[in-house]
Amino acid sequence: GAVVSQHPSRVICKSGTSVKIECRSLDFQATTMFWYRQFPKQSLMLMATSNEGSKATYEQGVEKDKFLINHASLTLSTLTVTSAHPEDSSFYICSARQLLETQYFGPGTRLLVL
Amino acid sequence: SQKIEQNSEALNIQEGKTATLTCNYTNYSPAYLQWYRQDPGRGPVFLLLIRENEKEKRKERLKVTFDTTLKQSLFHITASQPADSATYLCALARGGNTPLVFGKGTRLSVIA
Repeated sequence: GAVVSQHPSRVICKSGTSVKIECRSLDFQATTMFWYRQFPKQSLMLMATSNEGSKATYEQGVEKDKFLINHASLTLSTLTVTSAHPEDSSFYICSARQLLETQYFGPGTRLLVL
Repeated sequence: SQKIEQNSEALNIQEGKTATLTCNYTNYSPAYLQWYRQDPGRGPVFLLLIRENEKEKRKERLKVTFDTTLKQSLFHITASQPADSATYLCALARGGNTPLVFGKGTRLSVIA
């Protein structure tokens, strides 16, 4: 199956700093990438949909100025958590779509804000 | 509002038996449905996709059914093994470029 990577796999940062998470589709071109977050024992909650070369579409309740998404190429999308706070601590997972159906997921990034 | 329910939060089953997981949805008309496996601290891994005009799909020991009248999908693992222990997620999409929407998942434990 298609491979999606994420970097870093885990990050610890101080409150008020910004953190960038990279998502790459390694063996296919993804016109669309998605960012999800997941709290313990909860389902994946969609944060935003990102199309290459255009602005991301954010879900209701997700602050676009806090979670900056850049989809610079067909194989790379980045999520920047700006001015992170402890409540932003979560598991962030990206997903890339190869065709108009199957979404392949990255391994996730565990963010801990102190 | 749309709702996706995976009826059991946890399911314990004996090795060798068939595990059956349920996914029900309301206020939604999916074009297709997908099942994923998620291990602790990892991203979901794609297992099977079934479209609205398909009744059943199989892949090795896995079988998925899709009943759009009942608004339900069943996910079966035959001859279950301890290595099958994981959380299984049901996800739906309307088609086109719409994103997947996930259920909460069922945590399956296969006991040797």
